[in-house]
Amino acid sequence: KQEVTQIPAALSVPEGENLVLNCSFTDSAIYNLQWFRQDPGKGLTSLLLIQSSQREQTSGRLNASLDKSSGRSTLYIAASQPGDSATYLCAVPPPGSARQLTFGSGTQLTVLP
Amino acid sequence: GAVVSQHPSWVICKSGTSVKIECRSLDFQATTMFWYRQFPKQSLMLMATSNEGSKATYEQGVEKDKFLINHASLTLSTLTVTSAHPEDSSFYICSARPPIGQETQYFGPGTRLLVL
Repeated sequence: KQEVTQIPAALSVPEGENLVLNCSFTDSAIYNLQWFRQDPGKGLTSLLLIQSSQREQTSGRLNASLDKSSGRSTLYIAASQPGDSATYLCAVPPPGSARQLTFGSGTQLTVLP
Repeated sequence: GAVVSQHPSWVICKSGTSVKIECRSLDFQATTMFWYRQFPKQSLMLMATSNEGSKATYEQGVEKDKFLINHASLTLSTLTVTSAHPEDSSFYICSARPPIGQETQYFGPGTRLLVL
């Protein structure tokens, strides 16, 4: 059974700092890995999707990397802003499935002005 | 991007009543939708996979007779919480995936259920 872990559970940084969120998964036989953002009481917004054949994806100030062999992914946020404050979730499909997702427990990020 | 809606966004009900939550894909057809549950300060847990025109597939530990899922069309799936109890209070989120070729899942805004 796939298990997804995110460290740290919570992170507080001053505005402008660069930061890294970590995600690890136990079974490396994944099709892809996805990072989401969730604002309090809201649904999920997809940030980045990395295919299993890719090593990284970039979107604006966000960069996600994937190391399948070690079962790890990182989400790098450059020049953080208060608007980045949210919970960040990583998710992978279970082995043998490309559709449903197994989520990590999330990292709650607070960017202080 | 693709849009998924949920209705209602908030519901408060008495213990013992049933509550229906709708999940709609607004601008694409989805043969498969997923229902997740999220308790406070916890991550999303998959409850069931809703398949258009056939029975839903439930995850281990999820009571199919309590959480009724109907996927009557390619754009609508409903989750009915029957005989709701306070422990069913949670945030319910659905997701849908566009047709083959797009792997990103699109999530609804969620429905917060409070059972008194």
